[in-house]
Amino acid sequence: DADVTQTPRNRITKTGKRIMLECSQTKGHDRMYWYRQDPGLGLRLIYYSFDVKDINKGEISDGYSVSRQAQAKFSLSLESAIPNQTALYFCATSDLTPNNEQFFGPGTRLTVL
Amino acid sequence: DAKTTQPNSMESNEEEPVHLPCNHSTISGTDYIHWYRQLPSQGPEYVIHGLTSNVNNRMASLAIAEDRKSSTLILHRATLRDAAVYYCIRNSGNTPLVFGKGTRLSVIA
Repeated sequence: DADVTQTPRNRITKTGKRIMLECSQTKGHDRMYWYRQDPGLGLRLIYYSFDVKDINKGEISDGYSVSRQAQAKFSLSLESAIPNQTALYFCATSDLTPNNEQFFGPGTRLTVL
Repeated sequence: DAKTTQPNSMESNEEEPVHLPCNHSTISGTDYIHWYRQLPSQGPEYVIHGLTSNVNNRMASLAIAEDRKSSTLILHRATLRDAAVYYCIRNSGNTPLVFGKGTRLSVIA
């Protein structure tokens, strides 16, 4: 079984709808991240959490919110989706080591019409 | 701000070595140099990391300049499976990784 899972894997929605993307991990890591990737570009950080009570904004947090329900779960919400939020979304986890190796989920492809 | 500079793309013949360069001239003393790669339709995956000394693992080697302002990821024998976008990242371990656009490596059979 995959260590980092994301649901759904694909989603098509309409402008104005509320969408939740979910991430679960079985690695026992404290740190979790949400990134967004647009075609031809690198990943941009949306939000991150270093433990259950910690939430931090990333580079592009406007229009998004997150919830860290437990160590293993980190959800990303789009309160009112808009077309320029169409992108590939990745969740990642890491442990507290200098290595800071991040483990990524398979991604969720979101299309907002 | 990715704080590293990489060529947009590189090409290699299959079974030949590949040297992927990265400049990080403003690196601080506590920053590690990380390399990740992203295969088509997948999330990024860790390749290797180092601080000051050259590093080897089963995937690749990392050569770090003595002044630490640049580094090179070395794939000893490129295969078609190595075609990916390679990201060079400097990070102290206390903050999330910042990804630039990386280098797109094409491997020619």
